[in-house]
Order: sequence, then C-alpha cells, then structure tokens
Amino acid sequence: KQEVTQIPAALSVPEGENLVLNCSFTDSAIYNLQWFRQDPGKGLTSLLLIQSSQREQTSGRLNASLDKSSGRSTLYIAASQPGDSATYLCAVKEDSGYSTLTFGKGTMLLVSP
Amino acid sequence: GAVVSQHPSWVICKSGTSVKIECRSLDFQATTMFWYRQFPKQSLMLMATSNEGSKATYEQGVEKDKFLINHASLTLSTLTVTSAHPEDSSFYICSGKGGWDTQYFGPGTRLTVL
Repeated sequence: KQEVTQIPAALSVPEGENLVLNCSFTDSAIYNLQWFRQDPGKGLTSLLLIQSSQREQTSGRLNASLDKSSGRSTLYIAASQPGDSATYLCAVKEDSGYSTLTFGKGTMLLVSP
Repeated sequence: GAVVSQHPSWVICKSGTSVKIECRSLDFQATTMFWYRQFPKQSLMLMATSNEGSKATYEQGVEKDKFLINHASLTLSTLTVTSAHPEDSSFYICSGKGGWDTQYFGPGTRLTVL
C-alpha cells in the first residue's frame, strides 16, 4: 500500500527565505505527483503536477522536483512571502490507471513578515 | 480552469440527524467524482469513488450505509451522512475528474455534529 510522508510537519521562516519541503513515497511505481496548497478551512489548490517521466516543474517562485527511483519529491519556494503561509500537500497517483490520489499529511508553513 | 463547488460550506447538526452535502462541477462534466474526509492535521483520506449512474465504490473501512453517495448527473454528486454522530465531525472534500485524468477539488464542507 502506498504511503506518502512529508517532512517537516511544520515550518516557520522569516519573509524572504528560500525553503524546501520534502515528500517521500514508498512505492515508486507512480503515474504522477502533485503538490497542493490548502489554506485553513479551505479546499485544495493545485500548484504543480509532475508526470513520472519528468524531473521537475516550475511555476513562478515554485519549483518541484521528482526522483521517482528514490521515491522523493521536493517543493522549493524562493523568496518566501507571508502570503505563502498555508499547508502544502503532496499527493501521488498510482500507476494503475485508477485515478485515486494518496496524500501526505502536509507541511504547515508560516512565513512571518 | 475547472471549478467544483460544494454546498454547504459548513453545517452544524444534532446527533442522530442526517446531513446532505452537494458537490457540483460548474464548467465541466465529471463522470467520476471522489469524496474525501480530512481530520485536523491529517491527510485527506479517500472515502469513495462515484461514477455517474452507477453505485459508488467505497474504500475499506468506510460504511456505505452511513455515507450514502449519489451521482445522478454528470455535474452533481451528493454525500449524505446518515444518523450523524460527533465522531463524524470532519472536513469533507469532493473532487471531480476532468480532462487528462486531473482531479479538481471543491472548497470543502465543515461538518460539526453536536
């Protein structure tokens, strides 16, 4: 059974810092991996999706990398801002064609001004 | 982008009552919709997968008689929590499967059972 782990569980940084969030998964046979943002009491916003054949994806200040063989992904946030404060969730889609996602517990990020 | 709405956004009910949550895909047709629940500081856990016009497929450990799912149209799925109890209090999120097998998530519904 696929398990997704995110480290750290919480992170607090001052504004302007570059930071890295980590995600690991136990079964490397994934179809894709996705990073989401969740604001308190809200739904999910998709940030980046990396297909299994890709190594990284970039969107603005965000860069996500994928090392499928080692079961790891990182989300890099450059020049963090207070508006980046949220919980970041990593989810993998199995390579079975079935569309379900397996989520990690998330990393709660707080960027202080 | 594809938009999914949920109604209500929050609900408080008494123990023993039933609550219905609606999930709508506003600008796309979702032949498949998913229901998740999320406890505080926990990950989203898939409850069930519903396909339009057929019975939902429930994940192990999810009581199908307690969490009734209906997917009567390509844009609407409903989750009814029957005889709700305090332990059912949670954040329920739905998603619809769009093009390229992408899931689009709703804003969630906070259920509190007193």
